[in-house]
Amino acid sequence: AAGVIQSPRHLIKEKRETATLKCYPIPRHDTVYWYQQGPGQDPQFLISFYEKMQSDKGSIPDRFSAQQFSDYHSELNMSSLELGDSALYFCASSSDLQETQYFGPGTRLLVL
Amino acid sequence: SQQGEEDPQALSIQEGENATMNCSYKTSINNLQWYRQNSGRGLVHLILIRSNEREKHSGRLRVTLDTSKKSSSLLITASRAADTASYFCATGLTGANSKLTFGKGITLSVRP
Repeated sequence: AAGVIQSPRHLIKEKRETATLKCYPIPRHDTVYWYQQGPGQDPQFLISFYEKMQSDKGSIPDRFSAQQFSDYHSELNMSSLELGDSALYFCASSSDLQETQYFGPGTRLLVL
Repeated sequence: SQQGEEDPQALSIQEGENATMNCSYKTSINNLQWYRQNSGRGLVHLILIRSNEREKHSGRLRVTLDTSKKSSSLLITASRAADTASYFCATGLTGANSKLTFGKGITLSVRP
């Protein structure tokens, strides 16, 4: 069965650079979520989209923005990167018929 | 803010034994989900239990939910070395399209 696809899987950036993370949800899933997991931490919700509209917002820095496109894939744009942004970024998707969220393998971001 | 809190934080057992992990949360929920994470990799969905359910089974997994105590437990029977991972509970406050709030994970080590 198709799973959530995230790219890139690994990313190394310098401070103050920008990064774009991509997420391709499971086919026919209309909701995408972004989570951030710092080292040794639990995942924290950043933002979600339903049918291409932002549906909820969590502890996402103003330096970050995201959107969901017409093909339902989503991108998380991160600017003015800081050392503290180093983390594992997960995308998850679900359909509006169920509560289960399926997670992608994550993008590991390292900011130097 | 932290919703789910797991205990114990770490658990070490012998292969073949049962492992019980507990999770508590603070607010009313629609559903509670358990995830497994192997060494900083992706989150794998294990089981979902809705607020109107008390117990669910899936293979060697048994999850209970006590909404009066705002707690859940995950039982893994006849553990295997491959069950070694971190386990997280996550709560959804509403139904589909609801963000998940994760608790701190429990690290399970199963000794061969």
